[in-house]
Amino acid sequence: SQTIHQWPATLVQPVGSPLSLECTVEGTSNPNLYWYRQAAGRGLQLLFYSVGIGQISSEVPQNLSASRPQDRQFILSSKKLLLSDSGFYLCAGRRRDTEAFFGQGTRLTVV
Amino acid sequence: AQSVTQLDSQVPVFEEAPVELRCNYSSSVSVYLFWYVQYPNQGLQLLLKYLSGSTLVKGINGFEAEFNKSQTSFHLRKPSVHISDTAEYFCAVSDQFIRGAQKLVFGQGTRLTINP
Repeated sequence: SQTIHQWPATLVQPVGSPLSLECTVEGTSNPNLYWYRQAAGRGLQLLFYSVGIGQISSEVPQNLSASRPQDRQFILSSKKLLLSDSGFYLCAGRRRDTEAFFGQGTRLTVV
Repeated sequence: AQSVTQLDSQVPVFEEAPVELRCNYSSSVSVYLFWYVQYPNQGLQLLLKYLSGSTLVKGINGFEAEFNKSQTSFHLRKPSVHISDTAEYFCAVSDQFIRGAQKLVFGQGTRLTINP
């Protein structure tokens, strides 16, 4: 079955520090990959998506970036975190014409 | 582009009562539709999906949903809820473009609270 491993589960970082969140996919190849952010009491906002290695599309202008160095690896980064970057980050994968599967999420608190 | 509206942000229900969580979508092209459930501090778990075929879709945990193209709706129903159904529920839509990213667009979520 398709699985996404996402870590860490929780993270507390000071303002201005760098960020690197990673997710890896098992059980499928060449998936579309997505990074979502969920703010408290709100829905899921799509941040980035990737249809292949090195192919990244950004949905909203922000302080974050994404990379896909390997088919099953998707990384979310920031050079300098802002307070507004706090939230629950979810990595998702999807083969075309099927449902998406999600990682367990990372709770990021910027202090 | 697609959009999703979940009409109720919170739904309180007594245990063993029926429930309906409403979802309407907007799209100029054919779509796929999904319902996901999220328990606190966890990822999303698929409840059910509509890809094609029968408009009445059955999912896990006794949930079902009906795709109504004319009303652009995909409401989620369960005839008798349990305490364990307390969670956040998300409706999502994507386009069917073969060569596209088929991005999932989510509604704002409905918090279902089951009271004893």
